[in-house]
Amino acid sequence: QVQLVQSGAEVENPGASVKVSCKASGYTFSNYVINWVRQAPGQGLEWMGRITPYNGDTKYPQKFQGRVTMTTDTSTTTAYMELRSLTSDDTAVYYCARSDGLYSAFHLWGQGTMVTVSS
Amino acid sequence: DIQMTQSPSTLSASVGNRVTITCRASQSISSWLAWYQQKPGKAPKLLIYKASSLQTGVPSRFSGSESETEFTLTISGLQPDDVATYYCQQYKSYSRTFGQGTKVEIK
Repeated sequence: QVQLVQSGAEVENPGASVKVSCKASGYTFSNYVINWVRQAPGQGLEWMGRITPYNGDTKYPQKFQGRVTMTTDTSTTTAYMELRSLTSDDTAVYYCARSDGLYSAFHLWGQGTMVTVSS
Repeated sequence: DIQMTQSPSTLSASVGNRVTITCRASQSISSWLAWYQQKPGKAPKLLIYKASSLQTGVPSRFSGSESETEFTLTISGLQPDDVATYYCQQYKSYSRTFGQGTKVEIK
């Protein structure tokens, strides 16, 4: 069936990097945009950026520019989000979510990946 | 960035009551607004897109409406299964932004 399946929980030290994966199945991967959204414990949703798989085009909000990199591997229909220079403020659940294009809501979500930053 | 101001932050209502959540955009977003439902420990789920279009499979007691930069999610007949946090989201600007969320409880 149509789904996004994310990698498992991660625990990282401050200053380290983390790379979360999002495996798509059941649809044509290149035809849809992949977004990344995070949610700190007890907090709201925060959009981190998006990638268009067919050409690798990315858009990041200013807050994350220079610290996040989103990539895709069309051969394995997998999207990746790497976040660098982690601090405790990056402790959150990270979600991938699919949208149809430029003006589209997020119709399909992954199950989420918990990233804990702690020494 | 476009700011989304959602209210109230929490609400408590009886089963069967009509519930209304409001989201105000800091500038025009046309109808590029979505509503999501999130239950504890789960990923958000799309309820409404393009301000008033019901996502497939979502119960018809959920509806969305708009008036310029003010958007409303209505649950016409609250059910126990509707206990969740609800978020609005604009997708007019490239930098997507969410409202702060509204936690809905049963009285």
